[in-house]
This record gives sequence, C-alpha cells and structure tokens, in this order.
Amino acid sequence: GDSVTQMEGPVTLSEEAFLTINCTYTATGYPSLFWYVQYPGEGLQLLLKATKADDKGSNKGFEATYRKETTSFHLEKGSVQVSDSAVYFCAPMTTDSWGKFQFGAGTQVVVTP
Amino acid sequence: DADVTQTPRNRITKTGKRIMLECSQTKGHDRMYWYRQDPGLGLRLIYYSFDVKDINKGEISDGYSVSRQAQAKFSLSLESAIPNQTALYFCATSPTGSYEQYFGPGTRLTVT
Repeated sequence: GDSVTQMEGPVTLSEEAFLTINCTYTATGYPSLFWYVQYPGEGLQLLLKATKADDKGSNKGFEATYRKETTSFHLEKGSVQVSDSAVYFCAPMTTDSWGKFQFGAGTQVVVTP
Repeated sequence: DADVTQTPRNRITKTGKRIMLECSQTKGHDRMYWYRQDPGLGLRLIYYSFDVKDINKGEISDGYSVSRQAQAKFSLSLESAIPNQTALYFCATSPTGSYEQYFGPGTRLTVT
C-alpha cells in the first residue's frame, strides 16, 4: 500500500544553518507531493507542493523537488531562522489515497539562536 | 477571523462520556475531514465528507461518528469516550478537485 517515510526528529540546529528533511514515499499512481508545517499550538498549513516529476515547490525560503526516479521529496532551506522551529509533514496524495491520506509522522525542527 | 474554527479548543472528559467536537468553515469548501494527531504517529484520518450527503470512513473510524449538518459544519462524536482517544483532533477542508487542505487550530481532548 501507499506509505511515506520521513526522517525522525527532533532536528536541532543553529540559526543560519542548512536544513534538510528527507521524505520518501511509495504510491500507486502518480502522486502530488506536499509539505505542511505546524507551528506550536496551531494546525497544519501548506508550505509548498509539486504536482509532477522534476517540479520544484518553494515558499518562505524552503524548496523541495519532485524526484520520481527516487520517489523522494526532500525539504531544504539554506539558512534557517528561529521562527522556522516547527513540525514538518510530508504528504504524497493520489486519487487512490482518498480515505487514507498519507501524512508522514512529522519531523520536529528546533532552531536555536 | 479564522477560516476553519473548532470548538472546544480543549476538553477534559471522563471515560464513558459522550462528547462532540465541532468544526465550522467559511471557505466555501465542499470537502471536510477529521484527523487525530498522536505523538510519533503523524495524522490519521477518522472520517471525511465530500459534500453534505456524503460521509466516508477513514482509516481509524472505530469509536467515532460524524454528522455533516451543512456545507459549513462537520461534527465529530465520541459516543463513549475511552482513554486511548486522548489526542489532538483536527478538522480540515479542501475545495473539490484539490488535494490542498486547510486546517483548523485543533482540539486537545483528554479522556481520564
């Protein structure tokens, strides 16, 4: 069945460091790929997305590229800020996944000054 | 004002009690969802509704029921709460044909 694997957290890093969060998935069909972010005490919000192979999604300095050959959608940011401290969720979705939306377990990121 | 609201935001209840969590949205979306979040397990789908007359079970629907009272309202009920239903519950919406979901702020439920 469909599944998604994210790197475990917490990931702790200093301000201005480079961040990578790995995400790999298995899916029947051709998924659209999403990253959501959850700030403390809030619900999830869409961070970025990509809908076809080699597309790059970007927002707020974050980027992720749809890699069909490796079934991956790794999230990166070149210089993190304390305000990026949050939990990040990878989510591949296809029409086959209605009813069983696959969110990764989430990766907590802690950025220290 | 928030587009997706949930009430209550926090609730403590006892085992065996019936409890209802409510979700309202002003986004005009047809599709609504209920998830629960547990540490280390991510989000798991409880129920979803593609329109007022459409209700579908998600992967963990046992022990829960829902009601879609209107396009804008989707309620989740625990008929007889048990401690392992202690979790953070999220409502979400999406427009028809889109995978993008818009989440409410969550309800923290504790069953003692």
